[in-house]
Amino acid sequence: EADIYQTPRYLVIGTGKKITLECSQTMGHDKMYWYQQDPGMELHLIHYSYGVNSTEKGDLSSESTVSRIRTEHFPLTLESARPSHTSQYLCASSDGSEQRGSPYSSTDTQYFGPGTRLTVL
Amino acid sequence: RKEVEQDPGPFNVPEGATVAFNCTYSNSASQSFFWYRQDCRKEPKLLMSVYSSGNEDGRFTAQLNRASQYISLLIRDSKLSDSATYLCVVNVWDSNSGYALNFGKGTSLLVTP
Repeated sequence: EADIYQTPRYLVIGTGKKITLECSQTMGHDKMYWYQQDPGMELHLIHYSYGVNSTEKGDLSSESTVSRIRTEHFPLTLESARPSHTSQYLCASSDGSEQRGSPYSSTDTQYFGPGTRLTVL
Repeated sequence: RKEVEQDPGPFNVPEGATVAFNCTYSNSASQSFFWYRQDCRKEPKLLMSVYSSGNEDGRFTAQLNRASQYISLLIRDSKLSDSATYLCVVNVWDSNSGYALNFGKGTSLLVTP
């Protein structure tokens, strides 16, 4: 069983608020990821990290930012939430080997957190 | 054209039935393949990895057809607890951008008593 946690699980917030979605894992994985998933749609990669002090943008453009000060912690921040940010945000980690310039390796298995359902009014 | 295409379903089957899902991928440089299970309002969890022509794990069999560029998932003796959305995920190599995971939208399965 994967040990990756996200808080809050649900968040309803007004437009213009600053929010931080927390993600932590206890598996010692270097690589971590943030995905966005709308109902009935595929997951889209918005951020990833190879390890401490590494942050990279994913395939889907996002107004959010991330930081990686500790291996186990990979928070995502929205400075000013908007209704268009309403979605489910999934954090994941992987023990796959590092391939600089590529978010994944050839055999990456993603371990997902339970997700945060964000609604911006 | 989507990189990974799945029939969204829903597939409604009675308990004990055998059901199969197909997933087609467009990129012939696809390296490895996965089936993830996602319960309603939950996170995806790895069900099976498919690295060669296919593999079997209990009631679940995954097959890969590289010539036709599709992966299938067969579930035998369906249980009520198999009700979920099954995501097809394809790992693709590109010389410019490296590896990428392409996710399908998922196929919804409902097993009824």
